[in-house]
Amino acid sequence: GNSVTQMEGPVTLSEEAFLTINCTYTATGYPSLFWYVQYPGEGLQLLLKATKADDKGSNKGFEATYRKETTSFHLEKGSVQVSDSAVYFCALSDRATSGTYKYIFGTGTRLKVLA
Amino acid sequence: SAVISQKPSRDICQRGTSLTIQCQVDSQVTMMFWYRQQPGQSLTLIATANQGSEATYESGFVIDKFPISRPNLTFSTLTVSNMSPEDSSIYLCSVKVPASGDEQFFGPGTRLTVL
Repeated sequence: GNSVTQMEGPVTLSEEAFLTINCTYTATGYPSLFWYVQYPGEGLQLLLKATKADDKGSNKGFEATYRKETTSFHLEKGSVQVSDSAVYFCALSDRATSGTYKYIFGTGTRLKVLA
Repeated sequence: SAVISQKPSRDICQRGTSLTIQCQVDSQVTMMFWYRQQPGQSLTLIATANQGSEATYESGFVIDKFPISRPNLTFSTLTVSNMSPEDSSIYLCSVKVPASGDEQFFGPGTRLTVL
């Protein structure tokens, strides 16, 4: 079945460092791909998404490109801030038993940014 | 978009008891989902709860253990029955709104600890 493999954490960086969190997937068909972020004590928030191959999602300085040839959707940011400290989840959309869409999530990567 | 609240935010329960988690949405939505996030693991879909039909459970989850109600378009409950320590998790509800494509909006979660 479909799956998402995400980089193990935690990741600890200094402020203004470059961030990459790797995400690869296996899927039949053409799923949409997502990055969600979970700040401490809060629910998941959509960070960015891409719905087809070669699409680039971007938000708040984060970017990820839907690479069908490498089945990847790596998250990048050029200069992280302390406020970016959170858990990041990669996900793809899949079809649930009910026929509606569900998400398949990666395991999450905890990012800690030090001042 | 949609704003989702959950009650309780956290609870500590004794094994063998049941807990009902409420999910309230600020707008009418057809599709609602319940997820479980076990400690250190990714999110797993428990069931899809569409208004006007019975909930549809994913493999490994059964109605007797996780009964769900969906009385209207803005509200749902998930009950965790006859709890054991293995049920200690964060339980999240999410919704899908037609105008947002495949995007789901998540509640803040309910952190359950079973002793």
